[in-house]
Amino acid sequence: GNSVTQMEGPVTLSEEAFLTINCTYTATGYPSLFWYVQYPGEGLQLLLKATKADDKGSNKGFEATYRKETTSFHLEKGSVQVSDSAVYFCALSPFSGGYNKLIFGAGTRLAVHP
Amino acid sequence: DSGVTQTPKHLITATGQRVTLRCSPRSGDLSVYWYQQSLDQGLQFLIQYYNGEERAKGNILERFSAQQFPDLHSELNLSSLELGDSALYFCASSVVGGQNSGNTIYFGEGSWLTVV
Repeated sequence: GNSVTQMEGPVTLSEEAFLTINCTYTATGYPSLFWYVQYPGEGLQLLLKATKADDKGSNKGFEATYRKETTSFHLEKGSVQVSDSAVYFCALSPFSGGYNKLIFGAGTRLAVHP
Repeated sequence: DSGVTQTPKHLITATGQRVTLRCSPRSGDLSVYWYQQSLDQGLQFLIQYYNGEERAKGNILERFSAQQFPDLHSELNLSSLELGDSALYFCASSVVGGQNSGNTIYFGEGSWLTVV
């Protein structure tokens, strides 16, 4: 079946530190991969996506590369800010038969301190 | 702003009651999804509709039902509510089936349901 595994949080960093949040997946076929972010008290926002192997998604300084050989989609940012404090969800979309849905990981809470 | 609109934003109700959550998808999106986010279960897919028809079912309880109307808005009905149904319910939408759809699903801000 399809599943997503994320590193457990919380992740606590100082401002300007390097961020990595690990994400691995299990899927049949060739899913699309996503990172969503949930800021405190808000809904889910799409952060970035990659639709095929070796694609790199990027947005707001965050990056993730679709690695088929390691079934991974790790989220990275070179220098985090306090405003990046949120919960980050890795997700995949099997997109089978034209009707897609998202399967989420458990989420990783990031806390950035000044 | 994702373009997906959910109402109400917050709802408090008693056990045994019934509530309806409403969702308007992004303009042009034919597919609507419902997700439940709770502390113990995380983000769980409930159900998907495409152009008025049910397309996929996830971990949706028999006490819950949904529908998508001809104008593409959707409603999630929750009945015989229990304390454990307290959660954040998300609606999401996407364009499905087109070559350039990109599989991106956009989420609303959610409806907070508290059952007391």
